[in-house]
Amino acid sequence: DAKTTQPTSMDCAEGRAANLPCNHSTISGNEYVYWYRQIHSQGPQYIIHGLKNNETNEMASLIITEDRKSSTLILPHATLRDTAVYYCIVRVYAGGTSYGKLTFGQGTILTVHP
Amino acid sequence: DVKVTQSSRYLVKRTGEKVFLECVQDMDHENMFWYRQDPGLGLRLIYFSYDVKMKEKGDIPEGYSVSREKKERFSLILESASTNQTSMYLCASSLETSGYREQYFGPGTRLTVT
Repeated sequence: DAKTTQPTSMDCAEGRAANLPCNHSTISGNEYVYWYRQIHSQGPQYIIHGLKNNETNEMASLIITEDRKSSTLILPHATLRDTAVYYCIVRVYAGGTSYGKLTFGQGTILTVHP
Repeated sequence: DVKVTQSSRYLVKRTGEKVFLECVQDMDHENMFWYRQDPGLGLRLIYFSYDVKMKEKGDIPEGYSVSREKKERFSLILESASTNQTSMYLCASSLETSGYREQYFGPGTRLTVT
């Protein structure tokens, strides 16, 4: 699976959009970009995923560049409850013994301020 | 909503004890996973199961075993607990074996082995 690079930490004011970048320059054509987050003392929570098109759901938007070497997770109106570690994961379905294994890196600590 | 529950949030055991960590999901998911999370190391996959009575080793299976007698329940067993197994243990499940499906995590069990 492709390696990802994320900033260690970011700040955001409550009510503003939070834009979290992720670089995945070695991504392959059949690899998806997934975003999860982990609020302190809780299990990780799935946010969104995409292959090449931009995606939006009730939690966030995912913007993937045309060359797919980077992506941005957008939380349109950040709240204090969005303070968490955000993980960008790139992975492919490899079948066999892979079965969806997730490899979490260090992620970005997002702190939302009042 | 998918719900993944784990038997304990906090557990303290002595070295050499046999430890059982239980995980139950209520959405009829085929895949279930056990991870451990340690500072600086991210999430590491211990074992996963893609069907009842089926299991596959993850990246760090040594010192652990698993059991899946029913589809909704996946147990992690530490045969003889050691201090280096002190960690946060996270269970997850996903819908199908395609690998593209998001994983849903439980709240985690923080195990301390003394």
